Amino acid sequence: GAGVSQSPSNKVTEKGKDVELRCDPISGHTALYWYRQSLGQGLEFLIYFQGNSAPDKSGLPSDRFSAERTGGSVSTLTIQRTQQEDSAVYLCASSTRETQYFGPGTRLLVL
Amino acid sequence: GNSVTQMEGPVTLSEEAFLTINCTYTATGYPSLFWYVQYPGEGLQLLLKATKADDKGSNKGFEATYRKETTSFHLEKGSVQVSDSAVYFCALPGNNRLAFGKGNQVVVIP
Repeated sequence: GAGVSQSPSNKVTEKGKDVELRCDPISGHTALYWYRQSLGQGLEFLIYFQGNSAPDKSGLPSDRFSAERTGGSVSTLTIQRTQQEDSAVYLCASSTRETQYFGPGTRLLVL
Repeated sequence: GNSVTQMEGPVTLSEEAFLTINCTYTATGYPSLFWYVQYPGEGLQLLLKATKADDKGSNKGFEATYRKETTSFHLEKGSVQVSDSAVYFCALPGNNRLAFGKGNQVVVIP
C-alpha cells in the first residue's frame, strides 16, 4: 500500500518568508509526528497528533512554528518568517501503534 | 525519560566484512526497540524491530537481539555490501515520540 508522502520534496526560500510543508500519512493511521533533522542536531521531535488534536507540541522550537491536521489525515507544518537556522530536513511519520513509518522528508533551505 | 546511546563516529569497512553497531538504552519498563536506516537523500526506513526481551529482529541480513540484562540492542550483519552504505539509527518509544540515537554512518568500500 501507499506509504507516507510529503510535499514538496525540496523547498528553497528567502529569509523572512513563510513556508508550508505537507504530510499525507498512511491511510488509517491515527497518530502523526513531525521531526526535524539538521546537521549536528540529529533527529528532533517537533509535534505529535492523535487524530486532529495535538496533545504534545513540546518540540516546536518557537512560536514561528505551527502545525495542524484535518480530517484525521493530512497535516501541514507552517514556519513563519523563516530563518537560516530553520534549514533542515523535515520528516513526517505516522503510526497506529508503536511502529512509526516515515515519509521521504522535505529538504528546506533558507537563504 | 527513555533514551538510547549509539557508539560514536562513522564506520568504514570493506565489502563482505562483519558489521556491528552498538546501541544501549535506558527505559522505563520494556518497550519495543527499533533500528531505522536512512539511505542518502531519503527518509527513514524501518529496518527491524523487537518487541520483548530475548526477541531477535531480522531483515535484509541484519539482526539485533533485545538484551534486557545488558540493556542493549546491537545491530549486526555478517557480510556487508556496498548497498548497505547508509546511516543507521537505534530508537525506542517514549513520551509521545521516538527517542533516537545520534546515528552511525556506515560506508562500505568495494
